[in-house]
Order: sequence, then structure tokens, then C-alpha cells
Amino acid sequence: DTAVSQTPKYLVTQMGNDKSIKCEQNLGHDTMYWYKQDSKKFLKIMFSYNNKELIINETVPNRFSPKSPDKAHLNLHINSLELGDSAVYFCASSQGILLAAQETQYFGPGTRLLVL
Amino acid sequence: GENVEQHPSTLSVQEGDSAVIKCTYSDSASNYFPWYKQELGKRPQLIIDIRSNVGEKKDQRIAVTLNKTAKHFSLHITETQPEDSAVYFCAASIGNAGNMLTFGGGTRLMVKP
Repeated sequence: DTAVSQTPKYLVTQMGNDKSIKCEQNLGHDTMYWYKQDSKKFLKIMFSYNNKELIINETVPNRFSPKSPDKAHLNLHINSLELGDSAVYFCASSQGILLAAQETQYFGPGTRLLVL
Repeated sequence: GENVEQHPSTLSVQEGDSAVIKCTYSDSASNYFPWYKQELGKRPQLIIDIRSNVGEKKDQRIAVTLNKTAKHFSLHITETQPEDSAVYFCAASIGNAGNMLTFGGGTRLMVKP
């Protein structure tokens, strides 16, 4: 069950710090995503990358900077962490974006970020 | 942009009963509607999905119906079991807009033995 993996699983840090979360998928998918799930369990898209190129940036503060070194990896770097950044961050991937059969998104296990 | 509303937010049923969760969406261009199940502390996992060219889809005890005219879709779980207890999310996507999924607020389903 390691098709989409994330590290670390837990991240506890002080306000103002900079941290990174890594995501890797071994499904050969072209598209990867970052979602944020807040304390009320609401899931919201943050970014979408297709073949290493950004295609969605959903009004996320520029303290959040995704980086895709290759299509199997999508990392999330967060600068100057704030209390409100505390959440579970999920990475996901899908085969493509243009054909109906490629839409299914597979989620990683999540990274629980707690900012103190 | 797309807005997805999901009801109820919590649902408690007796084992063996049926459970129905309803979602409405705002963008008539949406054409892909997946449902995800998230157990406590786990990742969301796809349980069933439906596309706009189909009105109903069934997979064992789970079925989804779609009414494009009314812009709503529903998840039906029959013969519920305690292991069905989880948070269920509906979502909608336009498909070619970067495949962005807009999620509903989730329904916490509790199946009492």
C-alpha cells in the first residue's frame, strides 16, 4: 500500500520555522496534487501539477511553494509557519487530466502538521 | 467556481439499515463525481465514482445516483455494517480544469451494532 507515500507522517514545529513535506508516487501517474484537511475535516485542493508543471494554485499564500523535480515527486515547502497552517496535508496523484478514465485520484497517508 | 454541499454532516444508523448521503453541486460543467471514504486517521479512499453520462452505478452494497438536471448526486449504502463507520466525502470535477476536485464537507457515518 505504498503507491503514494509521504514523509514525514508527523511534523511538530514552532511558529516562524520553515519545513518541507515530501511526496512520491510509483504509479507512473502524470498528475499530482496537494490537499489541506483542516480540523473540521474539510478537504481543499491547494496545488495541482501535471508533468512537473503547475496547473492549479488555489489562492494559497505564497509561503507555500510546491516543487516537482520529476513527475513522480511533488514536494511542499512552507516558509514562516503560522498557527493556522496546522492541518493534515495529503498528497494525491492521478494518471492524467484530460481523459475521463484517468481522473481517479489516489491519496497518500497524510502528514499531520502541528505548529506551536 | 464549483461549490459542493453535502448532507447530513452526521448520520447514525443501526447495523443492517440503509444509509443515504446527498450532495449538490453548483457548476453544470462538472462531469465527474467520486465518493471517498476516510477512516479515522487514514487517507481518503475512493469507493465509487460516476460520470455525467450515467444516471446510476452500483457496486455490491454501494450505489450512487446522479441527477444532472437538479445538480445533485447521492450515495446509498445498503445492509450497513460497523466497518462502514467512517467519514464519507463527495466531490465534483470539471475534468479538464486540471482535474480539480471540489469536496463536500463530509458526512460522519456511525453504524451501531
